[in-house]
Amino acid sequence: EAGVVQSPRYKIIEKKQPVAFWCNPISGHNTLYWYLQNLGQGPELLIRYENEEAVDDSQLPKDRFSAERLKGVDSTLKIQPAELGDSAVYLCASSLRRGQGRDEQFFGPGTRLTVL
Amino acid sequence: DAKTTQPPSMDCAEGRAANLPCNHSTISGNEYVYWYRQIHSQGPQYIIHGLKNNETNEMASLIITEDRKSSTLILPHATLRDTAVYYCIVRVSYGSEKLVFGKGTKLTVNP
Repeated sequence: EAGVVQSPRYKIIEKKQPVAFWCNPISGHNTLYWYLQNLGQGPELLIRYENEEAVDDSQLPKDRFSAERLKGVDSTLKIQPAELGDSAVYLCASSLRRGQGRDEQFFGPGTRLTVL
Repeated sequence: DAKTTQPPSMDCAEGRAANLPCNHSTISGNEYVYWYRQIHSQGPQYIIHGLKNNETNEMASLIITEDRKSSTLILPHATLRDTAVYYCIVRVSYGSEKLVFGKGTKLTVNP
């Protein structure tokens, strides 16, 4: 079974430029998450989708960040314009709701963003 | 804020058991204890979870105290590939709720 796929793995851009990250979750997983991980810290949730609906985007900086999951499968996270402080790893995860604690999340390898 | 407390780092000799502690004194009755780990340059990986009883799978064992205020993840025979940051997380599981990560424990397995 293929895991969560993310691209690109690495991205270097100059500040004020736009950038986009793509994620393809595990087939059949209805829940998709985008997390941000700063150096030395644990991941923090940016947005959670249930199918195509964003059900938790309270931590997404909406002035510059946007996300979409149009057909309830793959997703794109965009930053425009990027700032120096956006340098981090952006992780995508997916899960299948099964209840009783069995809805573990599967993470992709992440995209490491460097803003110069 | 994370609801768990873990030591920032631990060392273990290869082949020996690694016992990683976690305190979660404010855990609620409907919250599970989850463990994930993150190997360098990879995304976090699910290890195990439990509610009340001790659990074991092919990767590890989870021991939860009777009052549920703390737990221990046990890697019975640590290898160099077990070097990673280990995260203990508590959360409900009647929805696909987010994981709230702390800083975890950096486990280094030494040859």
